[in-house]
Amino acid sequence: AQSVSQHNHHVILSEAASLELGCNYSYGGTVNLFWYVQYPGQHLQLLLKYFSGDPLVKGIKGFEAEFIKSKFSFNLRKPSVQWSDTAEYFCAVNPNNNAGNMLTFGGGTRLMVKP
Amino acid sequence: EAQVTQNPRYLITVTGKKLTVTCSQNMNHEYMSWYRQDPGLGLRQIYYSMNVEVTDKGDVPEGYKVSRKEKRNFPLILESPSPNQTSLYFCASSPAGALANYGYTFGSGTRLTVV
Repeated sequence: AQSVSQHNHHVILSEAASLELGCNYSYGGTVNLFWYVQYPGQHLQLLLKYFSGDPLVKGIKGFEAEFIKSKFSFNLRKPSVQWSDTAEYFCAVNPNNNAGNMLTFGGGTRLMVKP
Repeated sequence: EAQVTQNPRYLITVTGKKLTVTCSQNMNHEYMSWYRQDPGLGLRQIYYSMNVEVTDKGDVPEGYKVSRKEKRNFPLILESPSPNQTSLYFCASSPAGALANYGYTFGSGTRLTVV
């Protein structure tokens, strides 16, 4: 079965610092990739997704992610974080092979941005 | 407003007392799913449903039951809750075959404590 790894469980940054959160998956076939964000006390919201085409995808709130197929990675980046980016971030993978709508999530990375 | 509604938001119960967490969506989505969220483990899928009367186990189905008698509703049933089912539960829905366009829509979550 496929798995998704987010190696950074907790990240603490100061405002205006740059952010990169790692995501690696184990599935060998074609995949669809997602990043979700969960603000404190709220449900998950879609940040961005990759299905095909340009491996650099841009999402909401200034976030972007780069799909590197050779590294099985889909890292999330933001050039300058804000205090309001404090949240938990989840990477998710959907195998593009008749798996329908199933998503496998990583363990999450909790980001704290200090004002 | 298009949404996934879960009830209750918070629940404290005792070991062995049957409970049901309801989930309803108003978007005519075919696919619905239940996840539990635990610190460091991310979201793990409990059960999912591709359509009415079509359900299947996810990664952690033990101790849970579901039903899908109507398209809009997908209740999660704990016949005999145990303390290891203390968790944050999310219901999610998506149009069939349209994960690329929509991703999942998540409910607001149900925080369950079993004592």
